Amino acid sequence: DVKVTQSSRYLVKRTGEKVFLECVQDMDHENMFWYRQDPGLGLRLIYFSYDVKMKEKGDIPEGYSVSREKKERFSLILESTSTNQTSMYLCASSHLGSNQPQHFGDGTRLSIL
Amino acid sequence: ILNVEQSPQSLHVQEGDSTNFTCSFPSSNFYALHWYRWETAKSPEALFVMTLNGDEKKKGRISATLNTKEGYSYLYIKGSQPEDSATYLCALTDSNYQLIWGAGTKLIIKP
Repeated sequence: DVKVTQSSRYLVKRTGEKVFLECVQDMDHENMFWYRQDPGLGLRLIYFSYDVKMKEKGDIPEGYSVSREKKERFSLILESTSTNQTSMYLCASSHLGSNQPQHFGDGTRLSIL
Repeated sequence: ILNVEQSPQSLHVQEGDSTNFTCSFPSSNFYALHWYRWETAKSPEALFVMTLNGDEKKKGRISATLNTKEGYSYLYIKGSQPEDSATYLCALTDSNYQLIWGAGTKLIIKP
């Protein structure tokens, strides 16, 4: 089975702190994604990567950056957190192809105080 | 621009009853339609991927259909069970090979 592991299930941070969210997948997937999910909204894509050291902005990249130094690992970085970044963050991975399903981690619920 | 609407937003169903809900989209300009199930405290799980008008997929008591000409997909659950309680997400693969997500239908099965 595909396993996508996110480093933390719950995080509480203060405004202005730097936060790293780590994601690791074990199925040699080319694509990796970071989403955030907020009540009443669909999943919104922050950044994605289709190869090592490659990154593309999604729909809401402002206030975030990413790093993909190894194929299995995709990190989301919040340089200076703000309260509007309180959300559920989900990492996903998939093979290339339009009909490939995405496999998700369990999510990180991040609260910024 | 692709838009994905799911209805209803939430649904309460008696255990044993069958139910269905809808994913609608105004444009058929997409590569694939996906259904996912997201149970509380778990990660979203892929159920089906459909690409062609008229596609039908089935997994146990759950099935889905795709009608690209009229712009909708239905998800059916036959004989609902408590373990079917979850949020069901619909998503389209757009021309950039990204998924455009609906807000989901939250299904609650009452014992």
